[in-house]
Amino acid sequence: DAKTTQPPSMDCAEGRAANLPCNHSTISGNEYVYWYRQIHSQGPQYIIHGLKNNETNEMASLIITEDRKSSTLILPHATLRDTAVYYCIVNGGTSYGKLTFGQGTILTVHP
Amino acid sequence: DGGITQSPKYLFRKEGQNVTLSCEQNLNHDAMYWYRQDPGQGLRLIYYSQIVNDFQKGDIAEGYSVSREKKESFPLTVTSAQKNPTAFYLCASSGGYGDTQYFGPGTRLTVL
Repeated sequence: DAKTTQPPSMDCAEGRAANLPCNHSTISGNEYVYWYRQIHSQGPQYIIHGLKNNETNEMASLIITEDRKSSTLILPHATLRDTAVYYCIVNGGTSYGKLTFGQGTILTVHP
Repeated sequence: DGGITQSPKYLFRKEGQNVTLSCEQNLNHDAMYWYRQDPGQGLRLIYYSQIVNDFQKGDIAEGYSVSREKKESFPLTVTSAQKNPTAFYLCASSGGYGDTQYFGPGTRLTVL
């Protein structure tokens, strides 16, 4: 099952785009890339997911490289309320349905 | 409003006592999950249920038990056999097993 690697922390200025990278170099063809975020002492919030095409919803965009070995979550206009821990997760294969949350990236949005 | 509720938000128990955490969903989801989160750590899967009257162990099931008698409810019991029960417990549900999981607000359990 594929593992993910994320930077431990990132900063972003309010109003600018936040680009959060994730490496999943061992991902297999039937595994999806999911993104969640967690604000302190709250349950994780689903953001977006994709298989191989880029995806966009009201919260964010997900860009997956052609070889699927990495992806980037884009928050187009970050606000202070976007400060959270962001988790990149691979869902599929033999662990389908059993989400494994690593340490994630702490995103801090500054005024 | 549709969603997942967990109660209570904070729970205190004495060591050696069993405690049951509640999880209810009105999303008509078939699958439900329990996770544990320790300070500064990611989530780890305790138990999951793909359908009513069925459940399977996750990665850290020892010291925990569950039941799934109703589609809407998936209570978790933390038994006295769980060596380090103090943690943040999160319940999630998905339409079908493996689909996108949606999380409740969590219950913070402290064992004194």
